Order: sequence, then structure tokens, then C-alpha cells
Amino acid sequence: KAGVTQTPRYLIKTRGQQVTLSCSPISGHRSVSWYQQTPGQGLQFLFEYFSETQRNKGNFPGRFSGRQFSNSRSEMNVSTLELGDSALYLCASSMTGGMNTEAFFGQGTRLTVV
Amino acid sequence: AQTVTQSQPEMSVQEAETVTLSCTYDTSESNYYLFWYKQPPSRQMILVIRQEAYKQQNATENRFSVNFQKAAKSFSLKISDSQLGDTAMYFCAFGNTNAGKSTFGDGTTLTVKP
Repeated sequence: KAGVTQTPRYLIKTRGQQVTLSCSPISGHRSVSWYQQTPGQGLQFLFEYFSETQRNKGNFPGRFSGRQFSNSRSEMNVSTLELGDSALYLCASSMTGGMNTEAFFGQGTRLTVV
Repeated sequence: AQTVTQSQPEMSVQEAETVTLSCTYDTSESNYYLFWYKQPPSRQMILVIRQEAYKQQNATENRFSVNFQKAAKSFSLKISDSQLGDTAMYFCAFGNTNAGKSTFGDGTTLTVKP
């Protein structure tokens, strides 16, 4: 059974650009959550999608957005990149998103903004 | 809002010995889940153990066990017979019952020494 796949694994962007990251969940999983991991802030919840709808949202500016497709694959987009957006972005998938189901993480996308 | 605190940024243990990682949390909810995740140097986060707040019995998974003290809002992880492969960053996390989001602590870097 394939795990959670995040692409690309590494990305370098220039300040002011925009970027799109992709997450393919485990087959059958309908919930995808996104997290930002930085040394200073730890793991911060960005948003969660379930059945193509954003169900939960963290405290991030509107520059951070996402979507989910009918096959449960999810993308997150960051516009007008800032140096502080440099981070490891992790996605996690689960059957329903409820805490009684296990969440599986991808290996992450390392974004560097220069 | 929930908060999760891991007061030990770094710990080390000799192979085959036992180590305990601390975690405290704050919440006004009565029903929730607590997790310990492991993030090895390869970065993929994996679930180590999960505890449901309404269950008084402490969860165990092979060499991993927790000491869940609900009144004290404490959730420590004990690793018995430590192995070199246990070297990783360990995150304590809190999850609402139905929300696809978790609140993470800042992590504890554990090094198992031969």
C-alpha cells in the first residue's frame, strides 16, 4: 500500500514568487491536513480538507491557501513568498480526519525562499 | 485553544536503557486524544502511540508506553530497552475528537548512544 506522497521534495523560490505543493494521500483516505514545520515555531497547523471542502483552518495569512480534488489529492499554494515561509511543509492523510483514525504523514516538501 | 509543552529539548540514553519523555498540555475539553509521534532524521513522521482521554488505562505498544495523568494534564512517553533506531525527534500532540487537526509540542530530540 503506497504511503502519502508529497511533491516536490525540495524547492527553492525567490521572495515574491508563488509556489504550489502537492500531496497524494493513501488510497481511500479522504482527509488531508497540512502543517508547517520550522525550527523556531515547531509544527503549526495550516488547514484540513475533507471531501474537497476545507473543514479546519489554522492561523495563517490569506497568502496560504489550499484545495482538494475529487480523488482526495490536495495542493497548497503560497503566494507572495516571504523569507519566513522557508520551512518543511508536511501533509497528513487519514480516513476521516477524526482523531480515532490514524494519520499518516508524508516526507514533506522542504521550501527555501531566498 | 490547546497548548502542548515539551520541556526537554534534548535527551540522551544509553542503548538498552529506559528513558521517559515529558509532555504537559492544557485544554478545557473533556474528550480528546493524545499522541506521540516520532520523526527520524529521514523526516517522515510516524505515529508511536495514541491515548484516548476517556480511557483510564495507559496505552502500550511493545517497548513504548505512556503515563497518562488526566487531572494533571500530563502525558509522558516511556521507551524501554532503547535501541539505536529510536534516535529521532519525538513530538507530543493533542487532537480534538472530530477535527482533522492536531496541536504539537516543540519536540524532544532523543539520541540513543551505543
